Amino acid sequence: EAGVAQSPRYKIIEKRQSVAFWCNPISGHATLYWYQQILGQGPKLLIQFQNNGVVDDSQLPKDRFSAERLKGVDSTLKIQPAKLEDSAVYLCASSLDWGAGPGEQFFGPGTRLTVL
Amino acid sequence: GQQLNQSPQSMFIQEGEDVSMNCTSSSIFNTWLWYKQEPGEGPVLLIALYKAGELTSNGRLTAQFGITRKDSFLNISASIPSDVGIYFCAVNAGNMLTFGGGTRLMVKP
Repeated sequence: EAGVAQSPRYKIIEKRQSVAFWCNPISGHATLYWYQQILGQGPKLLIQFQNNGVVDDSQLPKDRFSAERLKGVDSTLKIQPAKLEDSAVYLCASSLDWGAGPGEQFFGPGTRLTVL
Repeated sequence: GQQLNQSPQSMFIQEGEDVSMNCTSSSIFNTWLWYKQEPGEGPVLLIALYKAGELTSNGRLTAQFGITRKDSFLNISASIPSDVGIYFCAVNAGNMLTFGGGTRLMVKP
């Protein structure tokens, strides 16, 4: 079974530029999560989708971050415009169902973003 | 929001030694999880704990869910070089995961 796919793996941009990350969850997984992991810290949840609907986006900085999962499968996370403090690894995870339990989240390898 | 305190922040041990790390919170949680993250990869679930006082093993790993539901510990016995990585505790709050800051483990062959 293929795991969670993310691209690109690395991205370097200058501040005030825009950037987008893509995630393809495990086939059949209804729930998709985006996390931000700043160097030296644990992952922090940004947004959670159940199919194509948002379950929780309370920690998403909505003035510059946006995410969508239009067809309930793959998802994109966008930052516009980027700030220096957005430098981090952006992790995508998926699980079978929102009610499957948190232990059943499977993580992708992440996209490492560097903002100069 | 919730805060999980992990200790120690880092450990440098000799191959074959046993390792112990813990995670504490000021709030009560009903699910505690331990993950391992290797460089360039996402976290991988090691052990999930769902009951206060529960002791669960996975090979050389053993984790316990504290009786107060405010803490958990993870032990690794007879460490080997491939145990190197960052170990995170996490708790479930409303089907959302909150992670601790991690314990970085380094093993000297």
